[in-house]
Amino acid sequence: EDKVVQSPLSLVVHEGDTVTLNCSYEVTNFRSLLWYKQEKKAPTFLFMLTSSGIEKKSGRLSSILDKKELFSILNITATQTGDSAIYLCAVANAGNMLTFGGGTRLMVKP
Amino acid sequence: DAGITQSPRHKVTETGTPVTLRCHQTENHRYMYWYRQDPGHGLRLIHYSYGVKDTDKGEVSDGYSVSRSKTEDFLLTLESATSSQTSVYFCAISAADTQYFGPGTRLTVL
Repeated sequence: EDKVVQSPLSLVVHEGDTVTLNCSYEVTNFRSLLWYKQEKKAPTFLFMLTSSGIEKKSGRLSSILDKKELFSILNITATQTGDSAIYLCAVANAGNMLTFGGGTRLMVKP
Repeated sequence: DAGITQSPRHKVTETGTPVTLRCHQTENHRYMYWYRQDPGHGLRLIHYSYGVKDTDKGEVSDGYSVSRSKTEDFLLTLESATSSQTSVYFCAISAADTQYFGPGTRLTVL
């Protein structure tokens, strides 16, 4: 059974802090790992990672995948209150079926 | 927003009543998915479709059925709603190896 575990469950930081969110996985026939951001609505796509060691970057957010150790991290630098959300990690298998982790709830205080 | 709409957006119903949720997409995507999201469980796949009249079960399909008679519409039916089906339901489509989500339907079964 495919499994995705995210840590920490929740995190409270102050604006300007840097945060690292973790995602570990077990999946049969790995295809890709995806990160989503969810505010009070639908999850929105952030990154898709398929290769180890290649960093994906978008503004203050970046992510990297380690296929040997079966984990990924999502970094957010210089956090802002608008970064407050639930961050979801999901792993796709060869059939492109997603298994989601439980999410990390991030709160950024002014 | 990947051209996905869901209806209704909110519904309150009573135990034992049938409920149908609709997902509509405007971009002719072949794959469509229904998920439910509950605290502590992340998103879990209920059913998915890989074409008109082609559907298959996901991780938590018991108590749910689906139909897809047109490319653009994917219906999720709860034949006899139970309180355990109180949840937020998201529809998704697959594009470029990534899944994109609709706005969600909040269903409460009393």
